Amino acid sequence: GESVGLHLPTLSVQEGDNSIINCAYSNSASDYFIWYKQESGKGPQFIIDIRSNMDKRQGQRVTVLLNKTVKHLSLQIAATQPGDSAVYFCAESPYQAGTALIFGKGTTLSVSS
Amino acid sequence: DVKVTQSSRYLVKRTGEKVFLECVQDMDHENMFWYRQDPGLGLRLIYFSYDVKMKEKGDIPEGYSVSREKKERFSLILESASTNQTSMYLCASSYWGGTAFFGQGTRLTVV
Repeated sequence: GESVGLHLPTLSVQEGDNSIINCAYSNSASDYFIWYKQESGKGPQFIIDIRSNMDKRQGQRVTVLLNKTVKHLSLQIAATQPGDSAVYFCAESPYQAGTALIFGKGTTLSVSS
Repeated sequence: DVKVTQSSRYLVKRTGEKVFLECVQDMDHENMFWYRQDPGLGLRLIYFSYDVKMKEKGDIPEGYSVSREKKERFSLILESASTNQTSMYLCASSYWGGTAFFGQGTRLTVV
């Protein structure tokens, strides 16, 4: 079936570094993409989203890049902090009736001080 | 803020029991979802609903059923719990084509 995947299951960075988490999606009909952060023992928390008519969107310390040509999504975290340690999921939404978000398997980000 | 509330954080049930997991959202969202999350498998969709009394099977509906009698409430039912249903269960809600917001999760252990 169609799926969203992440390139790396784990990523380790030093505090203060910039982090880049990547995701490849397979459904070219998807027009909405979301990044979630999940801390241990909690539900996924919305970080940032982007629609397919954009290629970049910035939030506070986070940037999402969308490359529709190669069906690639990335999350950039500037000046990574220990509190950023979590599992990050990308999700895609095929804008069709009766469809739900499709999630990748997640990347575990570990930040050391 | 959007609030999605799951009735329990932790549950322990016996094999064969009928188990109800409840989820309530306060944002008048049309869509509600139940996922289960297991190590190495990510989030897998069990069922979702895009309107009251409407339901659609997700990727792994076997052994589960759902009920949506009111817009704000979506229940997941394990008809006869089995040990392979031990998992983290996550409920979410969204507007059509919008961001899904998640509850805090219910960690179910079936013994």
